[in-house]
Amino acid sequence: GENVEQHPSTLSVQEGDSAVIKCTYSDSASNYFPWYKQELGKGPQLIIDIRSNVGEKKDQRIAVTLNKTAKHFSLHITETQPEDSAVYFCAASTKTALIFGKGTTLSVSS
Amino acid sequence: NAGVMQNPRHLVRRRGQEARLRCSPMKGHSHVYWYRQLPEEGLKFMVYLQKENIIDESGMPKERFSAEFPKEGPSILRIQQVVRGDSAAYFCASSLLQRGSTDTQYFGPGTRLTVL
Repeated sequence: GENVEQHPSTLSVQEGDSAVIKCTYSDSASNYFPWYKQELGKGPQLIIDIRSNVGEKKDQRIAVTLNKTAKHFSLHITETQPEDSAVYFCAASTKTALIFGKGTTLSVSS
Repeated sequence: NAGVMQNPRHLVRRRGQEARLRCSPMKGHSHVYWYRQLPEEGLKFMVYLQKENIIDESGMPKERFSAEFPKEGPSILRIQQVVRGDSAAYFCASSLLQRGSTDTQYFGPGTRLTVL
C-alpha cells in the first residue's frame, strides 16, 4: 500500500526566512497531494493541494512542487511569520483515503 | 457555511465502557472519513463511508470498532469495551463527491478520547 515519508520532523527558522518540507510517496497511482496545517488542539486545515497533472502551484507565500517521476513533493513557505508555527502534514491519495506523513513541527522565531 | 462538526470535543471513559463519537459533515457533503491520531503521530485512515454505505473500512480494527453514516443524522464512530490504547484524537473529514479519491477533504476539530 501507499507509504508517505516526510522530512524534516522539526524545523526552526527565523522570521522572514523560507521553510521547505519534503515528502516522498510510494504508490505511483496516487494523483492528489494536499498539505495540512495543524495547530495545537485543533483539526488539520488544508493550506494547499496539487494534482498530478500540475508540477507547481502557488498561493501567496505558500507553494507546492510535485515531481511524479521521482515521487516526491515539497512545501515551500516564504517570508515566514510567527503565526506559521504549527505542525504541517503532507498526504497522498489512494482510491479511498489520504495517507499522511508523520508531520513537521515548524517553529518561527521573531 | 458551517464546517465539519464533531462532538463531543473531549470524552473520558473508563476501561470497558463504550465511546460514541459523532460527526456532521459540511453542508452538501455526502462522504465521510474517520482518522485516528496518536500523540506525536500523523493521521491514520480508519474508514470511509457514504450515506448508508461503508465503502472502505480497511483501516479499522477488526474488533470493538464500528462506524455508520445513516440516511439521517451524523456519522457515528463507536468503540466498544475501550482500552487504554484507544486513547487518541479521532478526526472526521468530509468531501463533496468522490472522483477517484481526488476530492478535497475538510477536517473537523476532532474528539479527544481519554481512557482511564
